[in-house]
Amino acid sequence: EVQLLESGGGLVQPGGSLKLSCAASGFTFSSYAMSWVRQAPGKGLEWVSIISGNAGSTYYADSVKGRFTISRDNSKNTVCLQMNSLRAEDTAVYYCAKHWASGTYYFDYWGQGALVTVSS
Amino acid sequence: DIQMTQSPSSLSASVGDRVTITCRASQGISSWLAWYQQKPEKAPKSLIYAASSLQSGVPSRFSGSGSGTEFTLTISSLQPEDFATYYCQQYNSYPPTFGPGTKVNIK
Repeated sequence: EVQLLESGGGLVQPGGSLKLSCAASGFTFSSYAMSWVRQAPGKGLEWVSIISGNAGSTYYADSVKGRFTISRDNSKNTVCLQMNSLRAEDTAVYYCAKHWASGTYYFDYWGQGALVTVSS
Repeated sequence: DIQMTQSPSSLSASVGDRVTITCRASQGISSWLAWYQQKPEKAPKSLIYAASSLQSGVPSRFSGSGSGTEFTLTISSLQPEDFATYYCQQYNSYPPTFGPGTKVNIK
């Protein structure tokens, strides 16, 4: 059974940093790209970042480019999102999501989410 | 970026009703469209990919159709557990983008 479990959410002041982690199990982790998708309170879904299975490629939404860094450790089956220079508009539930197949942005499994609140 | 729209934004229906949700893309996306279901305070759940392929384990009362710019999600006979918000998502072009959602309420 595929499981994705996020951790690391919390309250942070504007301009601060936070690191989210996602622990994966139930599939061959290194074979799949992983993404982070966020959802602001009461709003829709916004893709944030992707990392390829071998960590060789990363891409970011324009809204977070230069502030967020995605990484993964295939020996520990984890993917992380380092978030710096946080803004109020980054407040959201952050989901890690498994890509169904290489080269596609269809997400077949999602974690339960981690809430990030940026507020003074 | 490709803009996705959904209609209606919400609807009220009864158990047993046939429900149809429409999703439109601002430009052609072939069949690279997915549908997700999200219940309150829960993570999205994948339902359909490639416009009409059912994700493993999803009940057959869910179906999808369409190509190009117009797509539909149909629930043939609404069940109590189907009351949720439904999102479409295009994955034809980078970046992937989602529709604003359609909330299915109990009538």
